Amino acid sequence: ETGVTQSPTHLIKTRGQQVTLRCSSQSGHNTVSWYQQALGQGPQFIFQYYREEENGRGNFPPRFSGLQFPNYSSELNVNALELDDSALYLCASSRRASGTDTQYFGPGTRLTVL
Amino acid sequence: AQSVTQLGSHVSVSEGALVLLRCNYSSSVPPYLFWYVQYPNQGLQLLLKYTSAATLVKGINGFEAEFKKSETSFHLTKPSAHMSDAAEYFCAVSPNYGGSQGNLIFGKGTKLSVKP
Repeated sequence: ETGVTQSPTHLIKTRGQQVTLRCSSQSGHNTVSWYQQALGQGPQFIFQYYREEENGRGNFPPRFSGLQFPNYSSELNVNALELDDSALYLCASSRRASGTDTQYFGPGTRLTVL
Repeated sequence: AQSVTQLGSHVSVSEGALVLLRCNYSSSVPPYLFWYVQYPNQGLQLLLKYTSAATLVKGINGFEAEFKKSETSFHLTKPSAHMSDAAEYFCAVSPNYGGSQGNLIFGKGTKLSVKP
């Protein structure tokens, strides 16, 4: 069983640029959630995608957007990057079904905004 | 609304000693509760989860946690610490929508150090 993978591992951008982060979900999973983890903090929920539609969003501005593809992989796009966007971005996949749909996390993408 | 409070941002124990990491939660609906571990420069690994079945939950690597509704607590314990347990630990809560899990709300984390 393949786990959750994310690319790239590290990324350096400058303020005002745009960035796309990618996530491949675990085999058999149909739901992807994205989290932002600032240094020294717990992860914060950005949004979740289920069946290619946004299915819940945290307190993040519209310049954070996403996509989910038919194979359930996902992208996180951030426009007009700000210094405070520097963080570890975590993707988690799960299988929505009756019973608990536990989220399994990828290794993350470390984004640095200069 | 849900929230999680982890008491103590840093905990230090000696190898072989009891590990106790504290977590209190607030939830307006029956919660799911989780403990995740994060090693340096890595993602989150699930240690254990509470899903309204048994109140004492056993996880991986010898960890366990007890759900106490009256105290709104879900503390993580391990009888004997090992050097490899040194990591950051996150408690998380998620609303239970009739068996379907909502998004995770995390505490700020507790960094565990293990002294030889």
